Amino acid sequence: AQSVSQHNHHVILSEAASLELGCNYSYGGTVNLFWYVQYPGQHLQLLLKYFSGDPLVKGIKGFEAEFIKSKFSFNLRKPSVQWSDTAEYFCAVTTSYGGSQGNLIFGKGTKLSVKP
Amino acid sequence: KAGVTQTPRYLIKTRGQQVTLSCSPISGHRSVSWYQQTPGQGLQFLFEYFSETQRNKGNFPGRFSGRQFSNSRSEMNVSTLELGDSALYLCASSLGPGIGANEQFFGPGTRLTVL
Repeated sequence: AQSVSQHNHHVILSEAASLELGCNYSYGGTVNLFWYVQYPGQHLQLLLKYFSGDPLVKGIKGFEAEFIKSKFSFNLRKPSVQWSDTAEYFCAVTTSYGGSQGNLIFGKGTKLSVKP
Repeated sequence: KAGVTQTPRYLIKTRGQQVTLSCSPISGHRSVSWYQQTPGQGLQFLFEYFSETQRNKGNFPGRFSGRQFSNSRSEMNVSTLELGDSALYLCASSLGPGIGANEQFFGPGTRLTVL
């Protein structure tokens, strides 16, 4: 079965530090990849997505992610975090398995705490 | 454009009861998916509906069911509630199946507590 692994459960950084959150998936076919963010008390929002083309995708709020097919990875990066980036981040994947792509498979999430 | 709305936002039930949750997708979106979010299991896919048809189903018991109406609004039902059903239930809508149309927009969720 397809699965998504996020390496870090909780990451604590100081403001201006660089961020990289790991995400690996297990599926050998075509995938669509997403990073969602859930700010405290708010609903899930899409940060960025990869469907095809340039493996380096840029999202909102200065986030970017790189799809490395050979490593089955889609790591999220930000050069300089801010206190307002404190949130929980979820990596997710959909596949073309079964002809449906409405099935988002989520990682367990990484809580990011940014110290001012 | 209004986002995905879910009602009710909070619900308290007792074991053995049943519950119905409602989701209204973004206008023009025809696909609705449901997810369960718990601290232990994270976000898990329940089912997906498109054009009033269930297209995909996650690994949940038959007590969990859903449906979609002709206006794309969706409901999910949980019968014979168990303590373990306490969770945040999220609804997401998208334009429809297919690459590029699969970006899902999430609602605020319904927090269900089973006592």
